[in-house]
Amino acid sequence: GQSLEQPSEVTAVEGAIVQINCTYQTSGFYGLSWYQQHDGGAPTFLSYNGLDGLEETGRFSSFLSRSDSYGYLLLQELQMKDSASYFCAAYNYGQNFVFGPGTRLSVLP
Amino acid sequence: EAGVAQSPRYKIIEKRQSVAFWCNPISGHATLYWYQQILGQGPKLLIQFQNNGVVDDSQLPKDRFSAERLKGVDSTLKIQPAKLEDSAVYLCASSLASSGQETQYFGPGTRLLVL
Repeated sequence: GQSLEQPSEVTAVEGAIVQINCTYQTSGFYGLSWYQQHDGGAPTFLSYNGLDGLEETGRFSSFLSRSDSYGYLLLQELQMKDSASYFCAAYNYGQNFVFGPGTRLSVLP
Repeated sequence: EAGVAQSPRYKIIEKRQSVAFWCNPISGHATLYWYQQILGQGPKLLIQFQNNGVVDDSQLPKDRFSAERLKGVDSTLKIQPAKLEDSAVYLCASSLASSGQETQYFGPGTRLLVL
C-alpha cells in the first residue's frame, strides 16, 4: 500500500524554527510536495522536492532524502499566521497523489 | 486570474439522498482532481482527470460515486445514494499538467453533511 506518516501536532513560539517530518512508503515514488491549510480553508501549495536536497522559498524550506524515504518542512521566524495544518503529499509514477494525515502547528505568542 | 470555483459551498442531505457538486478549474488547466477530506484527515484523491479522460479513479467508490468532465473543462461529482460516512469536505483542484511538480490549486470546497 501507500502511506505517509507525519506527527499529529507540533507547538512552537513566535520567532522560533520548527521542523515537520514526513516519512513515506509508496510504490513508484517521484516527488514530495508540501501544502498548508488553515482551518476552514483550502490547501495551498508551499514547495516541491523532486530531487534530494534542500529547496528554499523565503521562510520555508523543504528537504528530501530518497534513500531514507524521508522529507521535512522547515519553517523559520515563525509567525502567528503560520498556525495551520501542514500536509506532505507524495507524487507517484502512475500520476497519482497521496496526502499524509497532516500536522497541526500551533504558534504561541 | 480567477481561482478554482466550486458550488455549492455547503450542503445538508439525508442518507440515501443524492447530491452533486460542481467545479470550474482555472482556465487552461488540463488536470482536474476531486478530493474527499474528512475532518482531521488529509485529502484523499477520489478521481483525477487529464482533459476529459480519467487518469486515476482507484479510490472512487464506484457503486455510489460518479464523476465526469465533459469537454475537458467543468466537472461534476455525484453521490447516489449518500451514506453517513460521506460527510466530508469535497475539494476540487486543478493544475496545468499532471506531473508532480505542478502546483495544484484548490477550490474552497463543498462541505457535505449527511444526516
